[in-house]
Amino acid sequence: EAGVAQSPRYKIIEKRQSVAFWCNPISGHATLYWYQQILGQGPKLLIQFQNNGVVDDSQLPKDRFSAERLKGVDSTLKIQPAKLEDSAVYLCASSLRGFEQYFGPGTRLTVT
Amino acid sequence: DAKTTQPNSMESNEEEPVHLPCNHSTISGTDYIHWYRQLPSQGPEYVIHGLTSNVNNRMASLAIAEDRKSSTLILHRATLRDAAVYYCILRDNNFNKFYFGSGTKLNVKP
Repeated sequence: EAGVAQSPRYKIIEKRQSVAFWCNPISGHATLYWYQQILGQGPKLLIQFQNNGVVDDSQLPKDRFSAERLKGVDSTLKIQPAKLEDSAVYLCASSLRGFEQYFGPGTRLTVT
Repeated sequence: DAKTTQPNSMESNEEEPVHLPCNHSTISGTDYIHWYRQLPSQGPEYVIHGLTSNVNNRMASLAIAEDRKSSTLILHRATLRDAAVYYCILRDNNFNKFYFGSGTKLNVKP
């Protein structure tokens, strides 16, 4: 079974630029999560999708972050414009029934 | 949000048992207790979960206090590959949301 795929693995941008991350969950997994993990901290949930609907986006900075999950499969997370404090690893996870989350390798974003 | 409290770090010798504690005094009746671990430069991976009873799987055991306000992850024989950050998480069963804390960094000495 293929795992959660994410791309790119690394990205360096300047502040005020925009960036997008892509996630392909495990086939058949209805729930998809995006997390932000700042160095030395645990992952923080940004947004949770159930199929293509948003379940929770309470911690998503909506003035600069956006996410979509078209057709209930792949998802993209966008930051526009980026700030220095957005430097982090962005993790995508998917779940079939909610008991186990399967995480991708993450995208390490550096904003200079 | 439900919260968990874990020690920042712990150390163990290789091939010895490790008991990783977690306090979750605000747990609600429908919250499941999950443990994940994160190896360096990787995403977290599932270890074990439970609701009220103790649980065992091939990776670890989970001991849950009778009042459910605390739990302990038990690695029966630590190996060098078990060195990771271990997260104790409460899962909101109503919405399948996970709340990660800062975790415990486990160092395993040869």
